[in-house]
Amino acid sequence: GIQVEQSPPDLILQEGANSTLRCNFSDSVNNLQWFHQNPWGQLINLFYIPSGTKQNGRLSATTVATERYSLLYISSSQTTDSGVYFCAVERGYNFNKFYFGSGTKLNVKP
Amino acid sequence: KAGVTQTPRYLIKTRGQQVTLSCSPISGHRSVSWYQQTPGQGLQFLFEYFSETQRNKGNFPGRFSGRQFSNSRSEMNVSTLELGDSALYLCASSLGTGTPSAETQYFGPGTRLLVL
Repeated sequence: GIQVEQSPPDLILQEGANSTLRCNFSDSVNNLQWFHQNPWGQLINLFYIPSGTKQNGRLSATTVATERYSLLYISSSQTTDSGVYFCAVERGYNFNKFYFGSGTKLNVKP
Repeated sequence: KAGVTQTPRYLIKTRGQQVTLSCSPISGHRSVSWYQQTPGQGLQFLFEYFSETQRNKGNFPGRFSGRQFSNSRSEMNVSTLELGDSALYLCASSLGTGTPSAETQYFGPGTRLLVL
């Protein structure tokens, strides 16, 4: 399977700060998605971004497919941003068999 | 549009029992995938169903099985439960058409299974 590594594993921020989360993957992929898991376990899809850059409010993501990494930017963080951020990748079309990284646990303090 | 629903939300079972979990996808979605999430192994793919057919599976023992009904609802079953099966079981739905942009995964709230 594909190896997916996320860094940092843990991140503590003061409210209002910015952060960058990284996802490295070991093989070419045709599908990459970022998720946020809230403290109750719900996974919310943030971005479908196999390449290029997208923005959604305070969040943006960039994937450089040729160099096999993706970045998630969080600006002006809020306490509601706390939780675990996962990236997940699929190689080829493998009937939605996604490989998840181990996540970045973000704690935003007021 | 209603999201992905999973029932039950919490379950407590004892070793050796079996359990059935249910997942109802977003209306119009025909692909349902199942994942197991544990602190030690993270999120691991179990299997995926489309049009009542299992199209892919992960590296789990045969005690883990699933099925999909004609209305795209899916169930997964775990027989002969072991302590290590304690986990959060998540299902995700997508259109299933094969176009990557259409395969955005929408997850349900999960079922927390505790095996004693």
